[in-house]
Amino acid sequence: GAVVSQHPSWVICKSGTSVKIECRSLDFQATTMFWYRQFPKQSLMLMATSNEGSKATYEQGVEKDKFLINHASLTLSTLTVTSAHPEDSSFYICSARDRSSSGRWEQFFGPGTRLTVL
Amino acid sequence: AQKITQTQPGMFVQEKEAVTLDCTYDTSDPSYGLFWYKQPSSGEMIFLIYQGSYDQQNATEGRYSLNFQKARKSANLVISASQLGDSAMYFCAMRVSGNEKLTFGTGTRLTIIP
Repeated sequence: GAVVSQHPSWVICKSGTSVKIECRSLDFQATTMFWYRQFPKQSLMLMATSNEGSKATYEQGVEKDKFLINHASLTLSTLTVTSAHPEDSSFYICSARDRSSSGRWEQFFGPGTRLTVL
Repeated sequence: AQKITQTQPGMFVQEKEAVTLDCTYDTSDPSYGLFWYKQPSSGEMIFLIYQGSYDQQNATEGRYSLNFQKARKSANLVISASQLGDSAMYFCAMRVSGNEKLTFGTGTRLTIIP
């Protein structure tokens, strides 16, 4: 249980275009999902917390107009990188909140999406 | 604010040996949880083990154990009988009570040598 998928797994786009990344909870409903960004050989940095039916909460320094997050259903959150530039090239990972077998709230991570902007 | 420190950027360990990955943390919140994740080259984050701040015993999950020293604010991961498949990045993370956010350390790249 608690499987999270991401699509696409990798994407290459031209500078100035927009890219949408999907995060789905496959076997559970997630009212809360998280979006992280990971540069090569660095740690995961939380970008925003996505709540179903409401606006996302962005971390300090993350441009909300550039990284649009939509959590329209209990199983799907999307991250759209608008007008992408080479510096946006990164590994984007989502997670979804659910209770583990021990009853504890945990984040279950998707496999990640590698974005390369040319 | 919470902070996680992993001071070992990389480690090389002989196969079948035990390895300890260091993690220290800083928080003023008395209730918190500590996590360890494994990230292989494919990129997915694999949950390994969890330790709650009020747990009386150190957590264990198969070959993984957590050496939790609350007074020292350390939560080191111990992998026994290392295997080639253990080669990966390992991240320590923390979450405080009432906050869903995870704060990650910078990670340790573990390489198991045959």
